[in-house]
Amino acid sequence: RKEVEQDPGPFNVPEGATVAFNCTYSNSASQSFFWYRQDCRKEPKLLMSVYSSGNEDGRFTAQLNRASQYISLLIRDSKLSDSATYLCVVGGSGGYNKLIFGAGTRLAVHP
Amino acid sequence: GAGVSQTPSNKVTEKGKYVELRCDPISGHTALYWYRQSLGQGPEFLIYFQGTGAADDSGLPNDRFFAVRPEGSVSTLKIQRTERGDSAVYLCASSSGADTQYFGPGTRLTVL
Repeated sequence: RKEVEQDPGPFNVPEGATVAFNCTYSNSASQSFFWYRQDCRKEPKLLMSVYSSGNEDGRFTAQLNRASQYISLLIRDSKLSDSATYLCVVGGSGGYNKLIFGAGTRLAVHP
Repeated sequence: GAGVSQTPSNKVTEKGKYVELRCDPISGHTALYWYRQSLGQGPEFLIYFQGTGAADDSGLPNDRFFAVRPEGSVSTLKIQRTERGDSAVYLCASSSGADTQYFGPGTRLTVL
């Protein structure tokens, strides 16, 4: 079983749609949680950190459920520019962030 | 300021050859990480440096892989006797302590 599991997609949605991505992780000792965005043939870039209380950044909302070991990302009012691969990422507990990445979920937003 | 840079951007080599991949982290970042990303997968952790020392090399797949960071800044990932299965994008990231990791553009390694 992979340490971080995501639905690979692709999710094909029209502009303006709301789309949700889910992720599960296996290591209950994990301390930090993130969503990264990766455009085709580019490096991953941090989209947002994820906290147990939930957090929002504009059209993006992330949630963490530690009991279920489940992380989600909600994108509202999708834009063409949101088309990318979204990577669910879990950080270690060793005082540094050894990041464990999911395989990513592809999103394609069409006009 | 300047981000993480990696050279070369592309490297094509033949099976059995030796390659070196270089990473220049963000100035002042003490932590440096190497990851490897195969097609259709997320990046996979290889090694973590804190300063000059490799604090965690548990992700290195075998003893053909080695990395150094002699002066606590630039790092070099070295792969001996390359195999076709080593073909991937090698990503370097740096951070200030346990803060956000910033990734470089990667080196795309192709082993023929």
